[in-house]
Amino acid sequence: QKEVEQNSGPLSVPEGAIASLNCTYSDRGSQSFFWYRQYSGKSPELIMSIYSNGDKEDGRFTAQLNKASQYVSLLIRDSQPSDSATYLCAVNIGSARQLTFGSGTQLTVLP
Amino acid sequence: DAGVTQSPTHLIKTRGQQVTLRCSPISGHKSVSWYQQVLGQGPQFIFQYYEKEERGRGNFPDRFSARQFPNYSSELNVNALLLGDSALYLCASIKTPGLAAETQYFGPGTRLLVL
Repeated sequence: QKEVEQNSGPLSVPEGAIASLNCTYSDRGSQSFFWYRQYSGKSPELIMSIYSNGDKEDGRFTAQLNKASQYVSLLIRDSQPSDSATYLCAVNIGSARQLTFGSGTQLTVLP
Repeated sequence: DAGVTQSPTHLIKTRGQQVTLRCSPISGHKSVSWYQQVLGQGPQFIFQYYEKEERGRGNFPDRFSARQFPNYSSELNVNALLLGDSALYLCASIKTPGLAAETQYFGPGTRLLVL
């Protein structure tokens, strides 16, 4: 089992729809969870961080964390073509300082 | 404030050669991490440095080494390059490591191609 797993995609949604991206992780002791967006040929850009169970909203983005079920998700409301990118889930596994990344989900928002 | 800077942006080397990649963290940040990202995968942790000391090392061979300077900039060295070392090398800047919650901000990366 991989330490951080994401639905592999690719995921396509029409413009204006809600895009849902999911991630599961292996270590119940993990405390910090991050979503990064990566455009083709570019470096990862931080979108959201979440540390507590529940929802965290920032503009069109909502991160959801459920530590009991060991999953974290990202919802993108009113998806725009500019949201088309690969979304990376990253977790501080256990008490480690480094980030462990999933393999990413490629999202395409169709005009 | 300037973000994380990395140099060079692109690099082409041949097998067996050595390469040095450089990174300067965000002003006020004292720690850097290095990651390797091969095409189609998420970044994989190589090293973390804080106050010139290695704080963590990923599952990479001894051909990979790094160091951090008093100004908190860092270098990643890779010896005896293999074709499989072709990747995007990312440097992440961290304000104060030791807190699992600390956010890491990535630089633009160095794209290395080994022929």
